[in-house]
Amino acid sequence: QVQLVESGGGVVQPGTSLTLSCAASGFTFSNYGMHWVRQAPGKGLEWVAVIWYDGINRYYVDSVKGRFTISRDNSKNTLYLQMNSLRAEDTAVYYCARGWLRGIAVASNAGDYWGQGTLVTVSS
Amino acid sequence: QSALTQPRSVSGSPGQSVTISCTGTSSDIGGYNYVSWFQQHPGKAPKVMIYDVSKRPSGVPDRFSGSKSGSTASLTISGLQAEDEADYYCCSYAGSYTWVFGGGTKLTVL
Repeated sequence: QVQLVESGGGVVQPGTSLTLSCAASGFTFSNYGMHWVRQAPGKGLEWVAVIWYDGINRYYVDSVKGRFTISRDNSKNTLYLQMNSLRAEDTAVYYCARGWLRGIAVASNAGDYWGQGTLVTVSS
Repeated sequence: QSALTQPRSVSGSPGQSVTISCTGTSSDIGGYNYVSWFQQHPGKAPKVMIYDVSKRPSGVPDRFSGSKSGSTASLTISGLQAEDEADYYCCSYAGSYTWVFGGGTKLTVL
């Protein structure tokens, strides 16, 4: 069965960096685009970033451009989110979600399987 | 990249139908037929209930249906059940390989 397991969250100070990981299993990881979506405490969902199945194309929400980098290692079936210059407003549970299957419309799948999330708290 | 607009809360009695609206613009909902709806129970990960405006993933009851008119999408849940009580989020493709979510709607089953 499809499984996505996030890790790497924690409490960090403003201005510092953190890298999240998402270990995928139960499907051919290298055939799927992947998303990161976050949810601030008590708030709604916010799409953060997307990466193509081959890692070549990557896109971000404006609020994280230049600070966050999405990447993947298909040999390790793992998705990453490197977060630099963290701010208090980045505090959230970060979810990875499986996107579209290679060859299918990119826009069609905003996440058919999700991990349980990892909490990032940015506080001094 | 402004969030889509959803009512903060809706409610209904068991067996009734409820509809949750999601209003966007011509740059997102109105411009593409790529609207998804997610259900989220407290402390749990979101679960896709509808994708591509009106398609249901396997395993999702046919009590859940989606539609779109112009820049407004809707999720209708018929035959409400206690386990349908949750937060519901709409999501639309917004062009340039970005997506936008709604603010979420809390569904209460009375």
